[in-house]
Amino acid sequence: QKEVEQDPGPLSVPEGAIVSLNCTYSNSAFQYFMWYRQYSRKGPELLMYTYSSGNKEDGRFTAQVDKSSKYISLFIRDSQPSDSATYLCATYTDKLIFGTGTRLQVFP
Amino acid sequence: GAGVSQTPSNKVTEKGKYVELRCDPISGHTALYWYRQSLGQGPEFLIYFQGTGAADDSGLPNDRFFAVRPEGSVSTLKIQRTERGDSAVYLCASSLIPQGNTEAFFGQGTRLTVV
Repeated sequence: QKEVEQDPGPLSVPEGAIVSLNCTYSNSAFQYFMWYRQYSRKGPELLMYTYSSGNKEDGRFTAQVDKSSKYISLFIRDSQPSDSATYLCATYTDKLIFGTGTRLQVFP
Repeated sequence: GAGVSQTPSNKVTEKGKYVELRCDPISGHTALYWYRQSLGQGPEFLIYFQGTGAADDSGLPNDRFFAVRPEGSVSTLKIQRTERGDSAVYLCASSLIPQGNTEAFFGQGTRLTVV
């Protein structure tokens, strides 16, 4: 079992849709959870960071961690074509451990 | 520049050759990470440096892979006797300190193709 599992997608949604991206993780000791966004032929960039359980909101983006079910989610409201990218969930021990990534396409 | 810089951006090499990939981290960042990303996959951890020393090299796939960071800044990933399966994007990241609440910044990667 991989330490971080991610729904592979791809997802294709119309502009303005609400997008839900999900991951599960295996180790209950994980405390730090991140979402990275990666545009084509670019390195990943940090989008959201959450410590332990709960929600964190930043503009149109909400990150959610449920430690009881070991579930990580990212919600994107009012999605835009510029949101089209691969979204990577990750956790941190002494290094980042990534999921496989979900490719999102938002069409006008 | 202000970001993590990786050179070359693209490298094509023949099977069996030796390659070196370079990473210039953000100035002052003590932690440096190397990852490998295959098509359609997330980045896979290779090795992590804290200062000059390799703190965790558990992700290096075999002894053909080696990395150094002699002065605690620039790092070089070295691959001997390259194989076609080594073809991937090699990403480097750095962070101020190695801690979960400290952002890691990635370079754009080196796209290695072994023919």
